[in-house]
Amino acid sequence: AQKVTQAQTEISVVEKEDVTLDCVYETRDTTYYLFWYKQPPSGELVFLIRRNSFDEQNEISGRYSWNFQKSTSSFNFTITASQVVDSAVYFCALEGAQKLVFGQGTRLTINP
Amino acid sequence: NAGVTQTPKFQVLKTGQSMTLQCAQDMNHNSMYWYRQDPGMGLRLIYYSASEGTTDKGEVPNGYNVSRLNKREFSLRLESAAPSQTSVYFCASSEALAGGANTGELFFGEGSRLTVL
Repeated sequence: AQKVTQAQTEISVVEKEDVTLDCVYETRDTTYYLFWYKQPPSGELVFLIRRNSFDEQNEISGRYSWNFQKSTSSFNFTITASQVVDSAVYFCALEGAQKLVFGQGTRLTINP
Repeated sequence: NAGVTQTPKFQVLKTGQSMTLQCAQDMNHNSMYWYRQDPGMGLRLIYYSASEGTTDKGEVPNGYNVSRLNKREFSLRLESAAPSQTSVYFCASSEALAGGANTGELFFGEGSRLTVL
């Protein structure tokens, strides 16, 4: 069975701090995709990144970076120099067998 | 640029009543999904449809039925609503890659908030 665990239920930091959101997954598939989604207070779900299981290179997009480690089944998300607009619930997700399974989400609050 | 459209956005039901949540996408996607979101539980998959004419159970299918009416539309029905079904429901769609695998980038509707009294 596929499972995604986001152990951090809530994180609160002060603006400009760096913050890392953890994601650990379980799957028996050899080919799978990992994702991060953002849900701001307005409620919509925003796609952030998709990573193929064969590509373990870290990825950076502006202040966002992702660290994929197959050896530890983790796909962590780091926000550098956080901003108030980063406040949201962030979901990690795993795709296999044509369906997407989400973690419980991490509520991130960035305080001014 | 409609994307994924869900109706209704809000609904209040009494225990035992039935209702159908409608979902339509205009992106010609093969795969469609219904999720529910509850506090502390994240998004849980109720049912999904990998292609027109097929439906499969997700993590929490009990108490729900679905219909993939055509490629555009995927409805979710509650036959006899229960207070435990109070939740925010999201419909989503996704493009399929060649060979049937899924790109996984889901496009979500705005959500439907359902309250069962």
